Amino acid sequence: DSGVTQTPKHLITATGQRVTLRCSPRSGDLSVYWYQQSLDQGLQFLIQYYNGEERAKGNILERFSAQQFPDLHSELNLSSLELGDSALYFCASSSGTGNSSPLHFGNGTRLTVT
Amino acid sequence: GQNIDQPTEMTATEGAIVQINCTYQTSGFNGLFWYQQHAGEAPTFLSYNVLDGLEEKGRFSSFLSRSKGYSYLLLKELQMKDSASYLCAPQGGYQKVTFGTGTKLQVIP
Repeated sequence: DSGVTQTPKHLITATGQRVTLRCSPRSGDLSVYWYQQSLDQGLQFLIQYYNGEERAKGNILERFSAQQFPDLHSELNLSSLELGDSALYFCASSSGTGNSSPLHFGNGTRLTVT
Repeated sequence: GQNIDQPTEMTATEGAIVQINCTYQTSGFNGLFWYQQHAGEAPTFLSYNVLDGLEEKGRFSSFLSRSKGYSYLLLKELQMKDSASYLCAPQGGYQKVTFGTGTKLQVIP
């Protein structure tokens, strides 16, 4: 158990809808990362937060947004969903206080857009 | 920007040694992670290199050459459970970690 909690585990929704994915980092970790993994694809970096502030942005679509709250949990909002958004969405956390801090991943949210 | 290159697939025999190579170009390089990912599961941390040289951790070792933008993961005494994808992940500025597409390793009896 990595200590990173993601909810829900599975999500099935229709095109055009909006969903929110939730992530609670490991106790004490200040950094939260979001990644998207489509079938048989690599992990695509979406966005990173550190202690509530956005720190780095990847290839995140304008339809997607995220934030990290004062209690350090994070939410990823996906709107105007398209079939191509179907993927496994991973959240990871790290202490953020040193370069050698590994990322610890949650079990992911599997999103299916129909 | 980030550019990471790993072989797509490899096959090796149980009990053997396999080396998975990774070349990368990363702005503001701060170190390199290796992760293991079984299909449909979360990636798990294997190793981290920041200085040139070899880091050994049981059956797994990882090597880094910063000047060449090159790393490899060495797996010894392969077991069937080692069948998984292995992800090379350089760390850039602001501790941003970018993953390669991974090398799918199949261990055969």
